[in-house]
Formats: sequence, structure tokens, C-alpha cells
Amino acid sequence: QVQLVQSGAEVKEPGASVKVSCKASGYTFISYDIDWVRQAAGQGPEWMGFMNPANGNTAHVPKFQGRVSMTRDTSTSTVYMELSSLRFDDTAVYYCARRIGAAGSAQFDPWGQGTLVTVSS
Amino acid sequence: QSVLTQPPSVSAAPGQKVTISCSGSTSNIGNYYVSWYQQLPGTAPKLLIYDNNKRPSGIPDRFSGSKSGTSATLGITGLQTGDEAVYYCGTWDSRLDVVFGGGTKVTVL
Repeated sequence: QVQLVQSGAEVKEPGASVKVSCKASGYTFISYDIDWVRQAAGQGPEWMGFMNPANGNTAHVPKFQGRVSMTRDTSTSTVYMELSSLRFDDTAVYYCARRIGAAGSAQFDPWGQGTLVTVSS
Repeated sequence: QSVLTQPPSVSAAPGQKVTISCSGSTSNIGNYYVSWYQQLPGTAPKLLIYDNNKRPSGIPDRFSGSKSGTSATLGITGLQTGDEAVYYCGTWDSRLDVVFGGGTKVTVL
């Protein structure tokens, strides 16, 4: 079945970086964009950006400019999201999700199980 | 403050119907398809409705979606205890890319 499996929880100090992985299986990896969405406790989801695994193109929201990097390894069907210069308000569950709709949609299925990133001193 | 506005909570007895509204603007709901997600406690969101009113395979027809102008609505009929969750609407925004609502908690009385 189509599945996205993410790496485990992380605890980081302010100013550090975190790299979250998302391994896809059950479908042709390069056929669908992978998006990243984060969710702080008690809040709604917040879209961060996406990667096209076929060509490596990425896009992200301006608030993460200079801090977020998305890469992929097509040999292992894995997408990575690295967030640097971590701040306390980056504490959240980070999800990867497969975009099934056309560009200009918000159709994501499935989602990974989530990776809790805690920023704490 | 979410771009899409949802009521914080709705509730009804088992077997009854609930509706959840999602209000936006012409830069998002007014011109793009709406999706709905169900998030059970401690789990990732799950796609319930896409393209305003379509259900992925495996989603029961108790769940329905509609859109009118700059608002969308999710309906759940035959409410079950297993439907207790937070529901989110989501869509594309011409200025902000993907946007979500703040979520509506459904409680089965």
C-alpha cells in the first residue's frame, strides 16, 4: 500500500538544525510531489513547501526563506527536509504528505506518521 | 489566526448529523477546490474529501462536502463515536499557496 514513513522524534537546542526524512513506498516515487506541513500543539496545519522528486525542484513559503532545504534520494525513494537556525516556536510535529491533486490544490494523501521536533535549551 | 475560518467545535448525539463550515475569500475557496481532513487524536490528518465533494476510496458516504462562493461545508451523517476527531479544511490560496483552517472538534454526545 502507499505509505510514507518518517524518521523519529528529535530534540534540538535553539540555533541548531534538524533533518527529517520521509521514505515513500507503494507507488512510483517520481510521479508525485511531496509536501511538508507542520503542526504546533493545538494548532491547525501550516504548509511549509514542497519538492518535485522527479526533477528536484522545490518551493517554500517566504517565512522559511534561508532556513529550509528540501532534498531527495531517488535511489531510496526518500525526501529530506532540513530546517536550520531553530527557534522555540519551531517546536511542532512535522509531516510529509503526497500531493495527489494538480498544482494549485491542497489534496494530500497519504501523510507520514509525523516527526515531533522539540526545540529546547 | 488561520486564513480559513472554522467553528472551534460542534457536537451531536450518535446517529445525528453535524455540519462544519469553512469560510474563506476569493483568493482561496472562491477560486480553488477544497479538501477536508480528519485528524484522530495522536494521528496524522487523513484525506476525507477532495475537489469540494469527492470521496477517496474507502471513505464512507456518511461524509459529504459542498462549496458555495467563498465557503465550504463538510457534513457527517449517522454520527458515530469513532467520528470524534478534529476536522480541517484546506485549499490553495493565490497569495499564500496552501492554507488550512484552524480545525473543528467534533464531539459525539
